[in-house]
Amino acid sequence: EAQLVESGGGLVQPGGSLKLSCGASGFTFSAAAIHWVRQASGKGLEWVGQIRSAANTYATIYAASARGRFIISRDDSENTAYLQMNRLKAEDTAVYYCCKHPDAIPTNFDLWGRGTLVTVSS
Amino acid sequence: DIQMTQSPSSLSASVGDRVTITCRASQGIRNDLGWYQQKPGKAPKRLIYAASSLQPGVPWRFSGSGSGTEFTLTISSLQPEDFATYYCLQHNSYPWTFGQGTKVEIK
Repeated sequence: EAQLVESGGGLVQPGGSLKLSCGASGFTFSAAAIHWVRQASGKGLEWVGQIRSAANTYATIYAASARGRFIISRDDSENTAYLQMNRLKAEDTAVYYCCKHPDAIPTNFDLWGRGTLVTVSS
Repeated sequence: DIQMTQSPSSLSASVGDRVTITCRASQGIRNDLGWYQQKPGKAPKRLIYAASSLQPGVPWRFSGSGSGTEFTLTISSLQPEDFATYYCLQHNSYPWTFGQGTKVEIK
């Protein structure tokens, strides 16, 4: 069964950093585009960014709210993607989901992880 | 950025009712749209892709239609397990954007 599992969430002070992981199993991770999406408590969904596969040069793209502070990377040998978050702000507090779709197909997310909670507070 | 305007933001319905949710895109997005269902404390689950294609394993009572700027998700006969929040998502251009969500509640 295909699965994504996020980890690494927690409490961090404003201005701090945190690195989330997204472990994959049950599908060909190297052929997938991986996205991060977040959801503040009681709010809607916000796309954060994407990393494509090796076939697309691991290209990344970010939402304006993440650009310059967040970095998405991946290690295909470990079937894991990462979200490095720097200079965190209170408004980054949310559940962070990783999602995937086949990178060769122009479509949207066919699988989501369960999410990991990030709380930015002093 | 493409804005996705979803309506209504909430609705109350009874088991067996037909329910329709609409998403309007601020510019044409062909059929680059999906619909997702989210239950409290859970990750979203895809129901529809390419505007009208049913995700394998999703009940036939769910259907999607539309192209360009106007899209609908229809539940033909609402079941107890369908009470949830529904989101549309466009993937036509970056940044990908979601509708604001529609919470379907029990009347």
